[in-house]
Amino acid sequence: DAKTTQPNSMESNEEEPVHLPCNHSTISGTDYIHWYRQLPSQGPEYVIHGLTSNVNNRMASLAIAEDRKSSTLILHRATLRDAAVYYCILSGRDDKIIFGKGTRLHILP
Amino acid sequence: SQTIHQWPATLVQPVGSPLSLECTVEGTSNPNLYWYRQAAGRGLQLLFYSVGIGQISSEVPQNLSASRPQDRQFILSSKKLLLSDSGFYLCAWSKTRGLSEAFFGQGTRLTVV
Repeated sequence: DAKTTQPNSMESNEEEPVHLPCNHSTISGTDYIHWYRQLPSQGPEYVIHGLTSNVNNRMASLAIAEDRKSSTLILHRATLRDAAVYYCILSGRDDKIIFGKGTRLHILP
Repeated sequence: SQTIHQWPATLVQPVGSPLSLECTVEGTSNPNLYWYRQAAGRGLQLLFYSVGIGQISSEVPQNLSASRPQDRQFILSSKKLLLSDSGFYLCAWSKTRGLSEAFFGQGTRLTVV
């Protein structure tokens, strides 16, 4: 399974942008980059995914490096409700969805 | 619209007792189905996944088994629970092999005493 590397934790102030990095140097050409987040005592929630081009949706933006070996999830204006564990996952031909340890995001009021 | 149902929400079982957790998906056909476990303060561990009826892949050796008797039904079982089986169990489904997002149920918090 292709692996991802994320910082264990990050802090951000409320109402400021947050950039969550993810390294995936062994990504293959067919792997999609997915991001999920998990709020306390809940199941993971899909945030966004992309292949090569940057992606935007109502929750976040995903910036993918040109060589695809890294990506950044961008929360444009963090709120207290964005405090969660954020997971960066690679998925492609394989049917498995493997979660790493993720980044625990703390939002400071 | 698609929905995923997982029950019960919480469960307390004695050591050595059997376990059966059920997950059903509505509004889609031939989904990929997944069982995950999350021990307290730990990450999500993939236990089983299934791409079709009767097709189960196990990710880790353990005291648990899974079955898919119907297209949209996924069952997690154990004949004899261990203390180490305690955790937060999550069922999920996705449309295609890894290329679309996965949707998770609300989870079952299992405490083995």
